[in-house]
Amino acid sequence: GAGVSQSPRYKVAKRGQDVALRCDPISGHVSLFWYQQALGQGPEFLTYFQNEAQLDKSGLPSDRFFAERPEGSVSTLKIQRTQQEDSAVYLCASSLIMPNQPQHFGDGTRLSIL
Amino acid sequence: GQQLNQSPQSMFIQEGEDVSMNCTSSSIFNTWLWYKQEPGEGPVLLIALYKAGELTSNGRLTAQFGITRKDSFLNISASIPSDVGIYFCAGQSSTGKLIFGQGTTLQVKP
Repeated sequence: GAGVSQSPRYKVAKRGQDVALRCDPISGHVSLFWYQQALGQGPEFLTYFQNEAQLDKSGLPSDRFFAERPEGSVSTLKIQRTQQEDSAVYLCASSLIMPNQPQHFGDGTRLSIL
Repeated sequence: GQQLNQSPQSMFIQEGEDVSMNCTSSSIFNTWLWYKQEPGEGPVLLIALYKAGELTSNGRLTAQFGITRKDSFLNISASIPSDVGIYFCAGQSSTGKLIFGQGTTLQVKP
């Protein structure tokens, strides 16, 4: 497709389980960003990749959060030992070569931790 | 985490009215962006501003990048029902990450 694709769209997990969220960026987009959006709030930055290099992970809330982009295209955000406060929409965005090009967002994965 | 101050928080207006919302920050940004988000979807880019003082239009939307680089506003003229949604401002840091406002929820009464 032409846009950023995220899967799954919805994920329900029990507290303590591990989850993996996938992002397929727009073809040719070098920069990839993950954001977390709590209910009623604006998105908050988690981490940034340029190609396969993770250049900024300052927004990851804890060491339970891990992101990778091994071949510089598809990215996976993994959350280990999930907690209820991890419930949120996780958004992925991609942009062209430079990081300050406009970012285009996917529709997100809505994660609910029971 | 850091967020921008966006106001108003919500607006309920009559179709055909003009709308104005703004965003302020204690930090300087080199790029300001405005996004619209509808339920169950990701934010969609409306306007990007790259230069202090810049005024940019996209159809019925007009946005300005404040001269101090610490604020921006968005105007929507002659609102229509499909303008309903949540509007977010975002400042872009030199590293590329976006800092978002809390959003303005717009409801339009036909």
